[in-house]
Amino acid sequence: QKEVEQDPGPLSVPEGAIVSLNCTYSNSAFQYFMWYRQYSRKGPELLMYTYSSGNKEDGRFTAQVDKSSKYISLFIRDSQPSDSATYLCAMSESRTGGFKTIFGAGTRLFVKA
Amino acid sequence: GAVVSQHPSWVICKSGTSVKIECRSLDFQATTMFWYRQFPKQSLMLMATSNEGSKATYEQGVEKDKFLINHASLTLSTLTVTSAHPEDSSFYICSARDRPGETQYFGPGTRLLVL
Repeated sequence: QKEVEQDPGPLSVPEGAIVSLNCTYSNSAFQYFMWYRQYSRKGPELLMYTYSSGNKEDGRFTAQVDKSSKYISLFIRDSQPSDSATYLCAMSESRTGGFKTIFGAGTRLFVKA
Repeated sequence: GAVVSQHPSWVICKSGTSVKIECRSLDFQATTMFWYRQFPKQSLMLMATSNEGSKATYEQGVEKDKFLINHASLTLSTLTVTSAHPEDSSFYICSARDRPGETQYFGPGTRLLVL
């Protein structure tokens, strides 16, 4: 079993829809949870960064962490064609020698105008 | 926000040559830098982690003699692909972090094509 599971999609939605992206994980030692957006042929861009369970909102984006279920989500409201990208979840834990970050496989999102 | 640059953004080289890729943190000091490679439609694969002034830690299966990493200063890390072969063609991305536990900021990536 992978430490982080993420459905690769693709996920196709109409413009204006609410998008829900999810990751599950198996390692309860993960402490930090991130979502990155990666456009084609570009490096990942940090979208959201959370430490604890609960919700964190930033504009049209809401990150949700449920540590008891080992489940994290990213919600995108009023989705736009410019949101079309691959979304990567990432999680970090403290290990001997430093923090280790594990990335999900990424979900490809297409928002149709 | 934190900015990480990479140079070059793309490179084409002949098989057998060596290619150096630079990664710079522009507005913060990166105590740790990471090197990833990414194949089309696949996720990031961590190659190595480097801390300034010390040897890089390579992930299992990554040849340290082939992928030379130098992190000589708090703002610069380099990845040298030695004796490159067509199977080394990939998208190489670096990231940098200023403090343990803080998030990573990624560079724009370098696309390498070995002919």
